[in-house]
Amino acid sequence: SQTIHQWPATLVQPVGSPLSLECTVEGTSNPNLYWYRQAAGRGLQLLFYSVGIGQISSEVPQNLSASRPQDRQFILSSKKLLLSDSGFYLCAWSVQGKDYEQFFGPGTRLTVL
Amino acid sequence: SQKIEQNSEALNIQEGKTATLTCNYTNYSPAYLQWYRQDPGRGPVFLLLIRENEKEKRKERLKVTFDTTLKQSLFHITASQPADSATYLCALDESSASKIIFGSGTRLSIRP
Repeated sequence: SQTIHQWPATLVQPVGSPLSLECTVEGTSNPNLYWYRQAAGRGLQLLFYSVGIGQISSEVPQNLSASRPQDRQFILSSKKLLLSDSGFYLCAWSVQGKDYEQFFGPGTRLTVL
Repeated sequence: SQKIEQNSEALNIQEGKTATLTCNYTNYSPAYLQWYRQDPGRGPVFLLLIRENEKEKRKERLKVTFDTTLKQSLFHITASQPADSATYLCALDESSASKIIFGSGTRLSIRP
């Protein structure tokens, strides 16, 4: 069966520090991968998605970036965090194609102080 | 671009009643629409998908309808239970990309 891992579960970082969040998927090949951010009490905002290794689509201009160095690995990064980067970050995967459900990881709660 | 409105931020229902949640979209009709459940501090969990050529789909106590004329989907939970309390999100496909967009969700509370 397929599983998706995210780490760390929680993170407290000072403003201006770098960020690296990692997501890995097991039990499937060539998935679509997604990074979302969810502010408290709000919906999901799509940040990046990837349909293959090295292929990244950015949805929202910001100081975040994403990379997909391996088929089942998706990394979210920042060189300098802002206060507004605080939130709940979720990674998800889906089967290639358009009408398939997304499977979400457990999320990372990021607080920037 | 497509916009999704889940027009109840919160809904409180007596246990045993049917909960009905609404999802409206504004532009093109999507090829499909999905519903997810999200518990506090957790990632969303997929519940149901309904395609544009389907009027209704059921899964146990859940029922989803899709009206492309009204640009609306309704999500029903019959015989609601306190364990059904959660936030429910609708999502629909972006026509030209491998992604979906989510509504802001409706927080459902079932009181005993």
